[in-house]
Amino acid sequence: AQSVTQLGSHVSVSEGALVLLRCNYSSSVPPYLFWYVQYPNQGLQLLLKYTTGATLVKGINGFEAEFKKSETSFHLTKPSAHMSDAAEYFCAVSDREGGSQGNLIFGKGTKLSVKP
Amino acid sequence: KAGVTQTPRYLIKTRGQQVTLSCSPISGHRSVSWYQQTPGQGLQFLFEYFSETQRNKGNFPGRFSGRQFSNSRSEMNVSTLELGDSALYLCASSFSPGTDQNTFGSGTRLTVV
Repeated sequence: AQSVTQLGSHVSVSEGALVLLRCNYSSSVPPYLFWYVQYPNQGLQLLLKYTTGATLVKGINGFEAEFKKSETSFHLTKPSAHMSDAAEYFCAVSDREGGSQGNLIFGKGTKLSVKP
Repeated sequence: KAGVTQTPRYLIKTRGQQVTLSCSPISGHRSVSWYQQTPGQGLQFLFEYFSETQRNKGNFPGRFSGRQFSNSRSEMNVSTLELGDSALYLCASSFSPGTDQNTFGSGTRLTVV
């Protein structure tokens, strides 16, 4: 069975500092990986996804993630944090071949705080 | 264009009652998935529908059911509500299963008292 582990339920950074949110996955088949962001009282917004091809994936709002098969990781980074990045971030793996997001397995989430 | 619309946004029900939540997908989207989000269990997959057929189902008891209509709108129903059913229920839509452009709605916040 596939699973996702997000290291750190809370991460706090200063504005302008590097953001690093960690995600490790377990999958018996080539995974399809996603990062979502959730602002308070809102749904999930897709930041970026890895399906096939280039292992460094660029997403919206300056975020990017690198798929490292040898480390079974898909960490999310942003060079310079902005106050508006404060939210909860979820890493997810697709449970079905073809990359369908119809059945996503989510990590527990990481709340990002950005200090002025 | 309009996003995924979930109604109602907030709901309070009494233990033992039943509830129906609605999801209207983005125009043209025919696949709808449902997720439950709780502080303890996080985000968990409930079901996926495409062309009025349930394609996939998560590990939830039979009290949780759903359906999809010919216009792609979907409803989920929870019968005999329990306190533990209190959660944010999220709906997501896409053109079809296997695509990677899923869009989530803002969710329905269900509180069971």
